[in-house]
Amino acid sequence: DVKVTQSSRYLVKRTGEKVFLECVQDMDHENMFWYRQDPGLGLRLIYFSYDVKMKEKGDIPEGYSVSREKKERFSLILESASTNQTSMYLCASSHRGTGDETQYFGPGTRLLVL
Amino acid sequence: AQSVTQPDIHITVSEGASLELRCNYSYGATPYLFWYVQSPGQGLQLLLKYFSGDTLVQGIKGFEAEFKRSQSSFNLRKPSVHWSDAAEYFCAVGADSGTYKYIFGTGTRLKVLA
Repeated sequence: DVKVTQSSRYLVKRTGEKVFLECVQDMDHENMFWYRQDPGLGLRLIYFSYDVKMKEKGDIPEGYSVSREKKERFSLILESASTNQTSMYLCASSHRGTGDETQYFGPGTRLLVL
Repeated sequence: AQSVTQPDIHITVSEGASLELRCNYSYGATPYLFWYVQSPGQGLQLLLKYFSGDTLVQGIKGFEAEFKRSQSSFNLRKPSVHWSDAAEYFCAVGADSGTYKYIFGTGTRLKVLA
């Protein structure tokens, strides 16, 4: 079974702090994704990566950055957390170029910024 | 631009009743279509997917969905709902061949009455 893990289920941070959210997948997937989920807005793509050290902006990249130094790990960074970044963050991964684009999701990290 | 619409924000059904959740998409080519389920506080679990071939797709937990190109729809159905099906359901379309990005609907929250 595909397994996508996220480093924390719940996080509480203060405004202005630097926040790291980690995601690890064990299926040798090329693609990895970070989404933000808010009530009534569904899932919105923040960033995705299709290879090590490669990244592309999604629909709402402002205030976020990412890092992918190893194939299995994709980090989301909030350089200076703000209260409007309080949300549920979901990581996903998928194969590239196999004809099966199914994304597999982690359990999510619920972030509260005070 | 590609889009996904889930017209029902909330649906309430009685246990044992049949269920249909609606999903309409806008996409220029043949889409990849997905249904995911999210239990409270959890990540997204894949229910089923359509890539090509038979337009009636069977998934896990007794769910099925039918792709209707003429109606640009991919509705999710279950003949008899169980209390454990109470969750939020998301429809997604695979967008932009080569980028492997999804567009998600805003979700339908299902409540099941005992």
